Amino acid sequence: GAVVSQHPSRVICKSGTSVKIECRSLDFQATTMFWYRQFPKQSLMLMATSNEGSKATYEQGVEKDKFLINHASLTLSTLTVTSAHPEDSSFYICSASTSGGPSSYEQYFGPGTRLTVT
Amino acid sequence: SQQGEEDPQALSIQEGENATMNCSYKTSINNLQWYRQNSGRGLVHLILIRSNEREKHSGRLRVTLDTSKKSSSLLITASRAADTASYFCATGRTSGSRLTFGEGTQLTVNP
Repeated sequence: GAVVSQHPSRVICKSGTSVKIECRSLDFQATTMFWYRQFPKQSLMLMATSNEGSKATYEQGVEKDKFLINHASLTLSTLTVTSAHPEDSSFYICSASTSGGPSSYEQYFGPGTRLTVT
Repeated sequence: SQQGEEDPQALSIQEGENATMNCSYKTSINNLQWYRQNSGRGLVHLILIRSNEREKHSGRLRVTLDTSKKSSSLLITASRAADTASYFCATGRTSGSRLTFGEGTQLTVNP
């Protein structure tokens, strides 16, 4: 149980275009989803936290107009990188957690999406 | 901001040896978790230890937590080549809350 999927796994886009990444919890309802960014050989940096049906909370330094997050249902959150630039190339990982109960401490991670902007 | 620091940053050992990785943090926590990441992949949850626990075991994994020193260690016993990966600690302040990740330890187990 507790499987999180991401789509696509890899995407290459041209500078100036927008890219949407989907994060789905397959067998549980995710009240909260998190979006992380990871550069090569570095740790995960939290970009934003989203709760179903409400606006995402962005970390300091993350542009909300550039990284649009939508958490429309308890099983789906999307991250849209708008007007992508080469410096946005990175590994984007989502995670999901449930509310209440002992399992709510854990976050279940998706397999990640490798974005390359040319 | 990243509050977790891990050492060593890189560790290379022979198969069969034990691997110990350490993690320190700065603020009070509710729980501390260890994750594993194979190159280019997502994270796999290994073990969670709550702030009122001192030690926890799961198979070949042993985690300790010292809240007075704000530190934790992950011990992998009888390592295997398949254990080669990056290992991250992450701290949580409340249930369902954001996690703050450490910088990670790159473990290489040589066959």
